[in-house]
Amino acid sequence: DVKVTQSSRYLVKRTGEKVFLECVQDMDHENMFWYRQDPGLGLRLIYFSYDVKMKEKGDIPEGYSVSREKKERFSLILESASTNQTSMYLCASTRDGTNYGYTFGSGTRLTVV
Amino acid sequence: AQTVTQSQPEMSVQEAETVTLSCTYDTSESDYYLFWYKQPPSRQMILVIRQEAYKQQNATENRFSVNFQKAAKSFSLKISDSQLGDAAMYFCAYCTRVQGAQKLVFGQGTRLTINP
Repeated sequence: DVKVTQSSRYLVKRTGEKVFLECVQDMDHENMFWYRQDPGLGLRLIYFSYDVKMKEKGDIPEGYSVSREKKERFSLILESASTNQTSMYLCASTRDGTNYGYTFGSGTRLTVV
Repeated sequence: AQTVTQSQPEMSVQEAETVTLSCTYDTSESDYYLFWYKQPPSRQMILVIRQEAYKQQNATENRFSVNFQKAAKSFSLKISDSQLGDAAMYFCAYCTRVQGAQKLVFGQGTRLTINP
């Protein structure tokens, strides 16, 4: 069963901490995405990557960075966590050239205190 | 930039009845894809149905169907014979392409409750 795996389901961090959210896919997909989900706002794109070591800013990249050193792994980094980054974070992947939507991970609910 | 609007934050329906979730979008493109995703309490996003804009025929998947009105930029989801397992957040999404990758733009979501 193909899947996208996010390393943590729940995470609690302190303000100012550096936070890493990890995402791994086993489908050999070229494209990977990080979204945050907030009530009333839906899903908003933070960053995406279309190839190893390549990254593109999404709609709300401020306060975040990403790393993609290997094709299967896409990490979201909060350099200095703040309370307004408390949210649900969803990772997704898709094969290049297709239009069949994404395969999503199960999400990481991050609370910054 | 493309935008997607779901104007119904919450909907409820009696089990076995039919419900329609609304979605409108804004784009200047002529060729694109639209999706409906379901997110149950497990948080796993599940693709419900997909529509290609150049196809006039509305997509159907078992009890789920869409009413795609391209000129009006409307893409509603109809769920027939509602079941308890249909209770979830539903997201409408528009697919655009950036750097060769398909990028999904999501609406705000509609929480669907099924009353037994």
